[in-house]
Amino acid sequence: GQQLNQSPQSMFIQEGEDVSMNCTSSSIFNTWLWYKQDPGEGPVLLIALYKAGELTSNGRLTAQFGITRKDSFLNISASIPSDVGIYFCAGRLTGTASKLTFGTGTRLQVTL
Amino acid sequence: GAVVSQHPSRVICKSGTSVKIECRSLDFQATTMFWYRQFPKQSLMLMATSNEGSKATYEQGVEKDKFLINHASLTLSTLTVTSAHPEDSSFYICSAEWDIRGYTFGSGTRLTVV
Repeated sequence: GQQLNQSPQSMFIQEGEDVSMNCTSSSIFNTWLWYKQDPGEGPVLLIALYKAGELTSNGRLTAQFGITRKDSFLNISASIPSDVGIYFCAGRLTGTASKLTFGTGTRLQVTL
Repeated sequence: GAVVSQHPSRVICKSGTSVKIECRSLDFQATTMFWYRQFPKQSLMLMATSNEGSKATYEQGVEKDKFLINHASLTLSTLTVTSAHPEDSSFYICSAEWDIRGYTFGSGTRLTVV
């Protein structure tokens, strides 16, 4: 199935640093979602974006819905050790019960 | 709110046997649930869309006779891996849409076929 291209694939950063990751698609989506997955767990929703150009924050997290509707980015400010995990973007077309298309994931590791 | 419970969290079965995984929406009704498979260090790949009261819709390349899906009520969908083989070992995750904001995921089931 289709996957969204997510970069970087992995990153090692020091505690306190800011993190940026992005997601691109060859097709447009009406909704962009960002999830975090801890080992052995299901993904947990971080931020949802519904309009092109929308910029939304959730605590230290900020995400934007690209104006072309084919991309999105997620920023994490002042990273802390519990930010470690895998971050996935996901795109969805309009309508309820539309399936999600997931990105390839960004593995984040934070060192003290 | 919007909790999806998935059981079992881990299961080990012998090759050739069948395994059933349950996915329940605890505090909302879900007419549609989704089943994903995730291999180590990879992303989630949609296997099928489970529709309450009707047949599931399978993604291309997913064997419907091997991965049986039943969505008999608005709060329960089951995935049965029939005649499991070692290559079916994976992390299986279900999800359900609870409102326009997105989907809630279960905690996943680690299946190991020996």
